[in-house]
Amino acid sequence: DVKVTQSSRYLVKRTGEKVFLECVQDMDHENMFWYRQDPGLGLRLIYFSYDVKMKEKGDIPEGYSVSREKKERFSLILESASTNQTSMYLCASSEGTVFSYEQYFGPGTRLTVT
Amino acid sequence: AQTVTQSQPEMSVQEAETVTLSCTYDTSESDYYLFWYKQPPSRQMILVIRQEAYKQQNATENRFSVNFQKAAKSFSLKISDSQLGDAAMYFCAGGWADKLIFGTGTRLQVFP
Repeated sequence: DVKVTQSSRYLVKRTGEKVFLECVQDMDHENMFWYRQDPGLGLRLIYFSYDVKMKEKGDIPEGYSVSREKKERFSLILESASTNQTSMYLCASSEGTVFSYEQYFGPGTRLTVT
Repeated sequence: AQTVTQSQPEMSVQEAETVTLSCTYDTSESDYYLFWYKQPPSRQMILVIRQEAYKQQNATENRFSVNFQKAAKSFSLKISDSQLGDAAMYFCAGGWADKLIFGTGTRLQVFP
């Protein structure tokens, strides 16, 4: 079974803090994704990576950066957390082309910024 | 621009009955894929069913089937013999170009 794990299920941070969210997959997938999930807005793509050290902006990259130093690990960084970044963050991975293959999701990190 | 629309924020169904969740999309791409994902409460999102746009035959997975109307750009999910474990958020998604675009989700409640 494909397994995607995220470093924390719940996280509370203060405004202005630097926040790291980590994601690890164990199936040697090329593609990894970070989404943000908000009620009434569905899932919105923040960044994705199709290879080590490669990244592409998604629909809402502002205020976020990513790092992929190893194939299995994809990190999301909030350089200076703000209250409007309070949300559920989902990591996913897939093989093959980005738009045709099943994406496997992690359990999510619910981030609260106070 | 590609869009995916789910117009039903919430639906409910009685156990053992059938329910249909609606999804419409818009794209000018000729090559694309459509998906339904399920997100149970406090659990990971999983793929329910996948449809390749070039295939006319509707995809089925056990109690789950789709009604894919390409000309109408409609992709509804039918759940037959509903079970309590079907209660979840369901997201319709379209895959085209270099991304997967999700709808806003439909919360399905199943009553015994």
